[in-house]
Amino acid sequence: GAGVSQTPSNKVTEKGKYVELRCDPISGHTALYWYRQSLGQGPEFLIYFQGTGAADDSGLPNDRFFAVRPEGSVSTLKIQRTERGDSAMYLCASSKTGLGKLFFGSGTQLSVL
Amino acid sequence: AQKITQTQPGMFVQEKEAVTLDCTYDTSDPSYGLFWYKQPSSGEMIFLIYQGSYDQQNATEGRYSLNFQKARKSANLVISASQLGDSAMYFCAMRKDNAGNMLTFGGGTRLMVKP
Repeated sequence: GAGVSQTPSNKVTEKGKYVELRCDPISGHTALYWYRQSLGQGPEFLIYFQGTGAADDSGLPNDRFFAVRPEGSVSTLKIQRTERGDSAMYLCASSKTGLGKLFFGSGTQLSVL
Repeated sequence: AQKITQTQPGMFVQEKEAVTLDCTYDTSDPSYGLFWYKQPSSGEMIFLIYQGSYDQQNATEGRYSLNFQKARKSANLVISASQLGDSAMYFCAMRKDNAGNMLTFGGGTRLMVKP
């Protein structure tokens, strides 16, 4: 597609469940980023991939959060044992290199009941 | 550590008038980049404008300009000739150079354009 695609656009789950959020970056973009945005706040960095490897995962809040990008394109953010505090908009972005302009997807709104 | 501060939670502007959205930042890095993004209700973050810390001139992109005052550590966004479609959240962000493209965002300003 022409832009960054994130699926699903909305995810409702119950506390304690496992969820996967998918990001399909712009074709050819080597860098991929995950951000989390709580209501009324700016996005917060979670993790950055350069190719298949996580170049920086310092923003992941705890070990319940994990992300992969096995073939250097699509990425999946995985959250285990979800908690109500995980409810937020999860934004994915990609850039052609590690320095170019960031292009964001429309996000996945996660609601943990 | 980097910090971005946007002190205006909400702003009103009359259609066709100009508006300035404030942004101050704190960093000890000599080389950095400053960004403004627009987030409409659809949720997507839309890139507006970029200013490098060593750029001599203020950045401009169409109706958007960035008033960069390095000594004051401010990077205010000026939107000229406001349109109804400009109503959205606006975020200022900073990137530390040579550290990937990770952005630190401010808390945002909600701009409402009145007809």
